[in-house]
Amino acid sequence: EVQLVESGGGSVQPGDSLKLSCVASGFTSSNYWMSWVRQAPGKGLEWVANINEDGSEEYYVDSMRGRFTISRDNAKNSLYLRMDNLRAEDTAVYYCARDYAPTNSYFYYLDVWGKGTTVTVSS
Amino acid sequence: DIQMTQSPSSLSAFVGDRVTITCRASQNIATYLNWYQQEAGKAPKVLIYGASTLQSGVPSRFSGRGSGTDFTLTISSLQPDDFATYYCQQSYSTPRTFGQGTKLEI
Repeated sequence: EVQLVESGGGSVQPGDSLKLSCVASGFTSSNYWMSWVRQAPGKGLEWVANINEDGSEEYYVDSMRGRFTISRDNAKNSLYLRMDNLRAEDTAVYYCARDYAPTNSYFYYLDVWGKGTTVTVSS
Repeated sequence: DIQMTQSPSSLSAFVGDRVTITCRASQNIATYLNWYQQEAGKAPKVLIYGASTLQSGVPSRFSGRGSGTDFTLTISSLQPDDFATYYCQQSYSTPRTFGQGTKLEI
């Protein structure tokens, strides 16, 4: 079964750091771009970052660039999100997702999602 | 960044109704537009990609249209499982922005 499982969420104080992990199973994650998407309580989806197959390209939403770092370890079929200097507004469920495009197509979409891990930033 | 604006933000309908949700991009995104459904407390699920291609396993009552800046998601005959929140997302450029969502209620 194709699956993504996130971990590493928790309750932290403003200014703290946290590293989220996402383990892929049922497919070879090194063949795909991978993304992080977050959802604040009661709010909509917010795309955070993505990374290419070998980890040589990373893209971020401007508001998180410099504080968040996406990375991957293909030997472990794992994706990570390091979050520094956390703020109350970073409180959210963080989803890991597979970025897929059909063969010979550039129509990327998020076709496999994890169940999410919750990050709460509060003093 | 490309801004995605959905309308309406919420919508009430009956089982069996035909409903249409609109998504507008702040610039031309050709057909790089995806639609997702999110049930309460669950992860999103892709319905349509490339503006009009139905993801495998998604019922044919869902359809998408549009290109450029204006897009629609139509559900031809609402079923009880369809009451959820729907999001559009552009994949034309990064950041791959989402619309703010449309909550479909009974």
